[in-house]
Parts: sequence; C-alpha cells; structure tokens
Amino acid sequence: AQSVSQHNHHVILSEAASLELGCNYSYGGTVNLFWYVQYPGQHLQLLLKYFSGDPLVKGIKGFEAEFIKSKFSFNLRKPSVQWSDTAEYFCAVNAGGGADGLTFGKGTHLIIQP
Amino acid sequence: GAVVSQHPSWVICKSGTSVKIECRSLDFQATTMFWYRQFPKQSLMLMATSNEGSKATYEQGVEKDKFLINHASLTLSTLTVTSAHPEDSSFYICSASPRTGRRTEAFFGQGTRLTVV
Repeated sequence: AQSVSQHNHHVILSEAASLELGCNYSYGGTVNLFWYVQYPGQHLQLLLKYFSGDPLVKGIKGFEAEFIKSKFSFNLRKPSVQWSDTAEYFCAVNAGGGADGLTFGKGTHLIIQP
Repeated sequence: GAVVSQHPSWVICKSGTSVKIECRSLDFQATTMFWYRQFPKQSLMLMATSNEGSKATYEQGVEKDKFLINHASLTLSTLTVTSAHPEDSSFYICSASPRTGRRTEAFFGQGTRLTVV
C-alpha cells in the first residue's frame, strides 16, 4: 500500500520568504506525484504533477517541485511567497498506471503574514 | 480546465435518514470517479472507486452497504449515505479524470459538507 508523509503540518512565513514543503512517499513501483492546493472555501486545485521525464517540475503560480527517486521525495518549493499563497497544501500519489485513486498526505497549512 | 461539480454543497439531515450526493463531470466523460472523505484538520481518505456500468470498489474499512455508489453514466456518480448517524458527519469530495487513454490529473468537486443531527 502507498503512504504519503508531509513533514510540516503548519508553516508560517512572511511575504517574500522562500518556501519548501516536504513530501515523502512509500511505494515500491512507478508512481505519479501531485501537489494540490486548497484555498479557504474552495475546492482542491492542481499545482503541479510529475508523471515521468524531467524530475524538476514547474507548476502554476511560481511553484515547482523536484522528484528525487532515491529519496522517495517530491518537495514543493517557491522562491518568494505572497500573502495569497495562504492555503492548505496536499501532496498525493498514485500508482504508475494512473487509474487508481490518490493517496494524500495529511496536508500543510501555510500562513503567509503580510 | 475540466470541471467537476458536486451537489449539494452542504446538507443537514436527521439521524437515520439517507442522503444522496451527486458528482458530475461537466465537460468531459469519466469512466472512473473517486469518492473521498475528509475529517476536520485531516487529509482526504479514499473511500471508493466508482466505475461506470459496474460495481464500485471500496477501500478497506469502508462499509459498502452504508455508502452506496452508483455510476450510471459517464458524467454522473452518486454517493448515498444510508441511515446516516452523527459519526458520518464529514466533508465528502469526489474526483474524476478525463477519459483520454493517457495519464492525467484528477479534477475535484467542491465537496459536500454533511452534518447529521
């Protein structure tokens, strides 16, 4: 069975600070990796995804993530956060074929202080 | 992007009654849809996989007789919480992926807040 671990449950940063949210997964085979964001009162939106190819993935709103296979990690980064990045962030994984439901991490609640 | 719509957004029901939640893919067809449950301050947990034209596949620990899933068309899946009790109060979210023959991300509905009183 797959599992996803997000290390930081609550993160508070000031505007313009750099962000890195950790995500590690446990699964022996090929995986698809995702980061979703949930803004207050809104539904989950995809930030970025990794299926194959270049392990450095760029997403929307200046976010990027790097897949490091040897570390089973898919950390999310942003060089300079904005107040509007305040949200809940979820790392998720499913098996390589992509037909299965997602296994989510517990989420990271990010608060950006102006 | 693709749109998935859930209805209702929130519902309050009395203990012992049943509640139906709809999940529709508005601009694409989905052979498979997924139902998740999210408790306060916790992550989404996959409950079941809804397959068009066949029986749903439930995750371990999810009662299939309590959470009835019907996927009657390529754009609609329904989740019925039968004989609801207060412990069933939760946030229920569905997702679907376009049927393109290649890997793609899942698109999520806005969720349904169920409160059983």
